[in-house]
Amino acid sequence: NAGVTQTPKFQVLKTGQSMTLQCAQDMNHNSMYWYRQDPGMGLRLIYYSASEGTTDKGEVPNGYNVSRLNKREFSLRLESAAPSQTSVYFCASSEMVGNQPQHFGDGTRLSIL
Amino acid sequence: QKEVEQDPGPLSVPEGAIVSLNCTYSNSAFQYFMWYRQYSRKGPELLMYTYSSGNKEDGRFTAQVDKSSKYISLFIRDSQPSDSATYLCATFYNNAGNMLTFGGGTRLMVKP
Repeated sequence: NAGVTQTPKFQVLKTGQSMTLQCAQDMNHNSMYWYRQDPGMGLRLIYYSASEGTTDKGEVPNGYNVSRLNKREFSLRLESAAPSQTSVYFCASSEMVGNQPQHFGDGTRLSIL
Repeated sequence: QKEVEQDPGPLSVPEGAIVSLNCTYSNSAFQYFMWYRQYSRKGPELLMYTYSSGNKEDGRFTAQVDKSSKYISLFIRDSQPSDSATYLCATFYNNAGNMLTFGGGTRLMVKP
């Protein structure tokens, strides 16, 4: 089983460029999430989608947009990349929002020069 | 102050040692407690999941929650080099809009 698949695995961008990170899950989960992980900061929630057709802001949404394309796919877009967005980005899914365990992809390592 | 605090480590132990990993939290409303293990260049994977206070055991792993002290622990018995990873605690309480709150993670190294 693939679980949560993220593409690409690595990317280098220049300041001001745009990019979309892709995420797909095959567990028929209702809820999906985007996190960023920085040294010493742990996982911080950027956006989440409780169910198909809904999206909400998390702790650090500025500079990002998301699209819940269908039940399987949830994308994260950087419209104008900034060096402060250099990070490792993780997508996760769960049966529903709340106390349900989340299943994570292996991340996208993004460097912005 | 972060809601969930972890010592970042690294914690280095010899193979076979008993490992104690800890988190403290500030919000007494937290009810659900999870431990995730994250290998280098991989995503976190759920290791243990407990509700409220008490202990839960799964093989060599024991999760312990002390709500009176706002302290959660993960014990690893007979530690193995394959246990070398970063361990993240996470917690949650039932309220509309609440999400999991993660600690920063503790890096563990088990040396053969």
